[in-house]
Amino acid sequence: KQEVTQIPAALSVPEGENLVLNCSFTDSAIYNLQWFRQDPGKGLTSLLLIQSSQREQTSGRLNASLDKSSGRSTLYIAASQPGDSATYLCAARSSGNTPLVFGKGTRLSVIA
Amino acid sequence: NAGVTQTPKFRILKIGQSMTLQCTQDMNHNYMYWYRQDPGMGLKLIYYSVGAGITDKGEVPNGYNVSRSTTEDFPLRLELAAPSQTSVYFCASRRISTDTQYFGPGTRLTVL
Repeated sequence: KQEVTQIPAALSVPEGENLVLNCSFTDSAIYNLQWFRQDPGKGLTSLLLIQSSQREQTSGRLNASLDKSSGRSTLYIAASQPGDSATYLCAARSSGNTPLVFGKGTRLSVIA
Repeated sequence: NAGVTQTPKFRILKIGQSMTLQCTQDMNHNYMYWYRQDPGMGLKLIYYSVGAGITDKGEVPNGYNVSRSTTEDFPLRLELAAPSQTSVYFCASRRISTDTQYFGPGTRLTVL
């Protein structure tokens, strides 16, 4: 059974810092790995998706990497801004038909 | 497109009452999901559907029922509400071509 872990549970950084959020998964035979953002009181918004054959994906200031052999993914946020404050969740899909398995998320606070 | 809509936004139930959480998507997605999110936890899958007339249990289905008579609608039924069902419920649909998952804004349910 796939399990997804995110550490730390919360992170606070000053504005302008580059930061890395970590995600680990137990079954390396994944189909893809996805990162989502959740603002307080809102639903989730998809940020990045990395297919099992890919090593990384980039969108603006966000870069997600995938290392299947070690069971890890990272989300790199460059030049953080207060607007980046949110909870970031990663999720793994084991095959094309199986549902996503979510981690508990990392709550990020970027302080101006 | 309205995306994924959920009603109601908030609801308070008494123990033993029943209710239906509504979910509708206008993107013609075959895959739809119901999750619950408890404080400090990730999302746990309750039920999912791969198309009209097809549903399957997720990780935490006890106390819930679903139906999928149309592509657009995927209601979640709570029978005999219990305090353990106090949570925020999210509905989502999935675009297969890009594997992008779209979430509704959530329903905050309290059972007293």
